[in-house]
Amino acid sequence: DAGVIQSPRHEVTEMGQEVTLRCKPISGHDYLFWYRQTMMRGLELLIYFNNNVPIDDSGMPEDRFSAKMPNASFSTLKIQPSEPRDSAVYFCASSFSYGYTFGSGTRLTVV
Amino acid sequence: GIQVEQSPPDLILQEGANSTLRCNFSDSVNNLQWFHQNPWGQLINLFYIPSGTKQNGRLSATTVATERYSLLYISSSQTTDSGVYFCASNAGGTSYGKLTFGQGTILTVHP
Repeated sequence: DAGVIQSPRHEVTEMGQEVTLRCKPISGHDYLFWYRQTMMRGLELLIYFNNNVPIDDSGMPEDRFSAKMPNASFSTLKIQPSEPRDSAVYFCASSFSYGYTFGSGTRLTVV
Repeated sequence: GIQVEQSPPDLILQEGANSTLRCNFSDSVNNLQWFHQNPWGQLINLFYIPSGTKQNGRLSATTVATERYSLLYISSSQTTDSGVYFCASNAGGTSYGKLTFGQGTILTVHP
């Protein structure tokens, strides 16, 4: 099993540009989570899906953020337009039953 | 929402020493997990432990749900144990997947 795969690993973009982060969960896992990690705020849950359906998006900071899960093997987190304060490491995690498995994260820098 | 507090915030050890990390949570939980974030940023699930005691090699964890705390024990620490240890839990009435992370304990093990 290749684990949770995120791409890209690093992304540097200019303010105002659209950014799309991608995640492939572990096959058979029915939950998928998007987290953001910053020094100031720690690890924050942005949104999570169960069986491809968004369950709770209360952590999404504002309308500039959107997430989709078109099928069981793929999810995207989109930021449009991006701002410097969006700079962070974005993690995707998947789960079946109780244990989480995290991806390696995408380090996003908005300049 | 649930509050998750970890202590100590920082811990410095010599290789071979033992340590105890603590996690207090403000509400009843049905999901509590410990994670290790290594110096390269990878988050690894250590334990799913909403109650009771579990052991995995040199690591063990105990959760006393009635008193709302969990402990992570590291015995005979090694330099590879360095990193940040996170506790995460949910509030008992919410979906098990909606984890709130503590701020972490930064562990440094010197050779």
